[in-house]
Amino acid sequence: GQNIDQPTEMTATEGAIVQINCTYQTSGFNGLFWYQQHAGEAPTFLSYNVLDGLEEKGRFSSFLSRSKGYSYLLLKELQMKDSASYLCAGASGGSYIPTFGRGTSLIVHP
Amino acid sequence: NAGVTQTPKFQVLKTGQSMTLQCAQDMNHEYMSWYRQDPGMGLRLIHYSVGAGITDQGEVPNGYNVSRSTTEDFPLRLLSAAPSQTSVYFCASRGHPQGELFFGEGSRLTVL
Repeated sequence: GQNIDQPTEMTATEGAIVQINCTYQTSGFNGLFWYQQHAGEAPTFLSYNVLDGLEEKGRFSSFLSRSKGYSYLLLKELQMKDSASYLCAGASGGSYIPTFGRGTSLIVHP
Repeated sequence: NAGVTQTPKFQVLKTGQSMTLQCAQDMNHEYMSWYRQDPGMGLRLIHYSVGAGITDQGEVPNGYNVSRSTTEDFPLRLLSAAPSQTSVYFCASRGHPQGELFFGEGSRLTVL
């Protein structure tokens, strides 16, 4: 599996931009997922990156650098409802088994 | 659209009791998996299956058994529950190797 590392907690202001970083081991790496998880709920899919570069989806964008073993999730125009845990997951091996990081708890305040 | 259905949503067990967490999906997904989520530990893979009749261990398999007799169902069995198995359990499936995981709503298990 992958060694996934991401910050434990971040805070930001409504309307601002926040970047959540994720680093991973590059050996056997196939792709990088981001999921959002609100308290008491199941994770839901946000993005998947397999090639280097930035993928944009509305207010959310995800970036990947395979050579550096680095990804980030960029959230723009933050809303209170974006307060959640953001999970980085690396897929590896022939079966693309996802390994999750510990998650970053994002708190958005007014 | 049912997606991934887990039962029960809540369960309290005494140490040494056994139980089965049920997971069913109606999306014809080959890949199914079980995770546990503990505070500060993220999602950790218990067991997974890449198709009917095929199962394999994940990161934390001890104390848990699985079977995959059909494409739809992937039950997780605790043979002799321990307090260390108090956790929230998520079942997840996906349609292809680079596809997203679809999660069930979770099962909150407390072992006293």
